[in-house]
Amino acid sequence: AQSVTQLDSQVPVFEEAPVELRCNYSSSVSVYLFWYVQYPNQGLQLLLKYLSGSTLVKGINGFEAEFNKSQTSFHLRKPSVHISDTAEYFCAGSGGSYIPTFGRGTSLIVHP
Amino acid sequence: GAGVSQSPSNKVTEKGKDVELRCDPISGHTALYWYRQRLGQGLEFLIYFQGNSAPDKSGLPSDRFSAERTGESVSTLTIQRTQQEDSAVYLCASSRSSYEQYFGPGTRLTVT
Repeated sequence: AQSVTQLDSQVPVFEEAPVELRCNYSSSVSVYLFWYVQYPNQGLQLLLKYLSGSTLVKGINGFEAEFNKSQTSFHLRKPSVHISDTAEYFCAGSGGSYIPTFGRGTSLIVHP
Repeated sequence: GAGVSQSPSNKVTEKGKDVELRCDPISGHTALYWYRQRLGQGLEFLIYFQGNSAPDKSGLPSDRFSAERTGESVSTLTIQRTQQEDSAVYLCASSRSSYEQYFGPGTRLTVT
């Protein structure tokens, strides 16, 4: 069964510092992976997606993620965060099913 | 173009009453999903509609929950005899490809 694990429930970081939000998945079939961001009192917004091709995926707001099949990971990174990046981040995977599995979320807290 | 819309944005109801939540998907999106998000938690899948196919109801937590969708248009999620544990944000998402999802802002349900 497809499962998605976000290893950190909360990540505090100072403004302009780099950040990595970790995500691991399990799947025995072809896999599609996503990162979504949820700002307070809003729905989820797609940051980036991996369907196939290049393992380095660039998304909106300067975020990128790398699909690593050998480590079954899809970590999200940003070289320099802003206060406005404070939000909840969800990793999701779809191992061939049309019903994606979401991780429990990572709260990114950017301090001035 | 318009995104996914949900109504009402907030709903406060008394325990035991029925509630109906509405979702308007993006035009042309054949897939529609309902999720429940309890405070500080991840997304819990409820139900999935794809075109005119029979919906996947595997995530509905009890027979008090039901949902309908006519064709590729509006969907309604109905919760009968609401309980306090039903308090949550209910998110709707639509998709054209059945992989990448577009979320509405959610309906915050509070059962008193």
